[in-house]
Amino acid sequence: DVVMTQTPVSLSLAIGQPASISCKSSQSLLGTSGKTFLNWILQRPGQSPKRLIYQVSKLYSEVPDRFSGSGSETEFTLKISRVEAEDLGVYYCWQGTHFPLTFGSGTKLEIK
Amino acid sequence: EVQLVESGGGLVKPGSSLKLSCVASGFTFSSYGMHWIRQAPKKGLEWIALIYYDSSNKYYADSVKGRFTISRDNSKNTLYLEMNSLRSEDTAMYYCANSGADYWGQGVMVTVSS
Repeated sequence: DVVMTQTPVSLSLAIGQPASISCKSSQSLLGTSGKTFLNWILQRPGQSPKRLIYQVSKLYSEVPDRFSGSGSETEFTLKISRVEAEDLGVYYCWQGTHFPLTFGSGTKLEIK
Repeated sequence: EVQLVESGGGLVKPGSSLKLSCVASGFTFSSYGMHWIRQAPKKGLEWIALIYYDSSNKYYADSVKGRFTISRDNSKNTLYLEMNSLRSEDTAMYYCANSGADYWGQGVMVTVSS
């Protein structure tokens, strides 16, 4: 199975500060289709996960543009340009290129 | 609006069985594969099962293979997870999600304890 390694484990940031989360995979996530199925989700406290970014850098329509994703092959990054209060929670990367789906261990974002 | 609503969880003893349901609305359920994904208390996410849109293929994580069965009824827009021989390590919140895992249900809690 593909191992997804996220860092840092946690972040404590003030409103307005930038955030950066790294996700590394044990194998290239570039699929035979030419697409890279690396995605990001956010789980707010007490809620189920919500979609953020798909195929490395594509934001879902409801996601604010302060979020961005980048990367290729085995190294990926989620960035928040300016953290807002509603951004607290646990961020997970996950891959859908190789079966089975696998998830990172999560990065907890706390607001100072 | 896409909605996935799980039900059927509860507290059961080791060795027991339980069947979860996930009712879908807001999209053409019969056109999409569906997943079950679980999250043990204070832990991360674990994919456990996938079923194709037409039930032609089913896949399971090693941790549940032979004990859990995923199925669906497209006429009822409903996904199922039948869980047998439950163990304490199966204690988790169980989520259904669509094939792209871009929509998740609210989850249903399963607790296995004597």
